[in-house]
Amino acid sequence: AQKVTQAQTEISVVEKEDVTLDCVYETRDTTYYLFWYKQPPSGELVFLIRRNSFDEQNEISGRYSWNFQKSTSSFNFTITASQVVDSAVYFCALNRADAGNNRKLIWGLGTSLAVNP
Amino acid sequence: DTEVTQTPKHLVMGMTNKKSLKCEQHMGHRAMYWYKQKAKKPPELMFVYSYEKLSINESVPSRFSPECPNSSLLNLHLHALQPEDSALYLCASSHPTGASGNTIYFGEGSWLTVV
Repeated sequence: AQKVTQAQTEISVVEKEDVTLDCVYETRDTTYYLFWYKQPPSGELVFLIRRNSFDEQNEISGRYSWNFQKSTSSFNFTITASQVVDSAVYFCALNRADAGNNRKLIWGLGTSLAVNP
Repeated sequence: DTEVTQTPKHLVMGMTNKKSLKCEQHMGHRAMYWYKQKAKKPPELMFVYSYEKLSINESVPSRFSPECPNSSLLNLHLHALQPEDSALYLCASSHPTGASGNTIYFGEGSWLTVV
């Protein structure tokens, strides 16, 4: 089966705390891509990062960092010194090919992050 | 700012109405998508256009009718909808789907309420 699991449904933190959002995936593909998207209450899905299966380097972008570990099939996302503007639903997704070789995204159920002042 | 723009932002329609959602992208992408998202759920793929041709229809009811007039525009025509069709409708675009891993960029969505 090919799936994405975000075990944390909701997380609540106080501003300036660090928070890690977990993402575990399953795939039979040897080449695949993983994504994180942010969805604030306004509705837009904002692309945050794409990682391919051959690149296990961790990535840092400002207060955001991502830890990709193929050995544990995980692609976790950490926000350092969280801010109220980080409050949103965060989705992890896996890009896969269906039986017709159409590429599709398999989505996790999302983690709702609330950062309180 | 998003480069995928959707109109209208909010739409309320009756079950006998005909309306359309519109989407435009200026990123030179040749694949465009419609997704439907219910509250507290991930997006669900509805349709994919690749090079202005419909390549994926995820068994969507015929009361939803997509149209891709050109490589920058995507419409979703709505007719005889049901209250359960109320949702956030997201348009998106990417480089063609044949290449793996292409990032899909989303618009701000159209909030649809069917009364």
